[in-house]
Amino acid sequence: DGGITQSPKYLFRKEGQNVTLSCEQNLNHDAMYWYRQDPGQGLRLIYYSQIVNDFQKGDIAEGYSVSREKKESFPLTVTSAQKNPTAFYLCASLPRGVLSTEAFFGQGTRLTVV
Amino acid sequence: ILNVEQSPQSLHVQEGDSTNFTCSFPSSNFYALHWYRWETAKSPEALFVMTLNGDEKKKGQISATLNTKEGYSYLYIKGSQPEDSATYLCAYRDANTGNQFYFGTGTSLTVIP
Repeated sequence: DGGITQSPKYLFRKEGQNVTLSCEQNLNHDAMYWYRQDPGQGLRLIYYSQIVNDFQKGDIAEGYSVSREKKESFPLTVTSAQKNPTAFYLCASLPRGVLSTEAFFGQGTRLTVV
Repeated sequence: ILNVEQSPQSLHVQEGDSTNFTCSFPSSNFYALHWYRWETAKSPEALFVMTLNGDEKKKGQISATLNTKEGYSYLYIKGSQPEDSATYLCAYRDANTGNQFYFGTGTSLTVIP
C-alpha cells in the first residue's frame, strides 16, 4: 500500500542530544514537509522540500536540520540548539505542481526530551 | 506567517445533532482550501479540497462551502455520530507559495452517544 511512514511513534531523548526522526514515502511525491504541533497550536512548518537535494526553511526552522538525498526519504534532525524540542512531529508529502490534490500525512512522532 | 483561524476550538454535541464550524483565512491570493479529519493516533485524512469561490462539496453527511472573497469556509456535519468524533483541520494554500499549507488550530468535535 502506498503511504507515508514515520518512525518511531514515540521517542525519548536526553537534553542536549541530537535526534533524527524518519519519514519515508512510496507515493512518488516530489514535495515533502515537516510540521510541529504544540498543545493549543496549529501545525507549524519546520522545513519543506520540493525536489531531491533541495529544501527550504519553514516558519520555525531554528534548531532543526533536514536532508533530501532520495525522493522517498526526508529525515528531520532535532539538534541540541532547539530550545523546546518536546512536541508532536508530523511529516507530509504532495505531488509537485498539482493544484487540487490533497497532502498525505504520516502518523506522527511524539518526541519527549527529558 | 499567514493567519488561519478555526472556531470553535472544541465542540461537544449529542448524537444526531447537526453541527458546523468555521475556517477563516486571508481573502487575497487564494489558491486552495483543504479540510482534514484527524482522529487520535491516526494520520489526518483528507475530506475536501476546495479551489473555487462558491464551491460546495459533500461526502456522506459532511459538507463544506467556500467563500474566497470574504475568506471563510464552513464545514457541516448533519446528524453527528460518535464515529465523527475527531479534530477537523483546515489548511489554506496561498497563490504566492502554492505548495505550502497554512493550518488552523483545528476544531475538536466530541459526539456523545
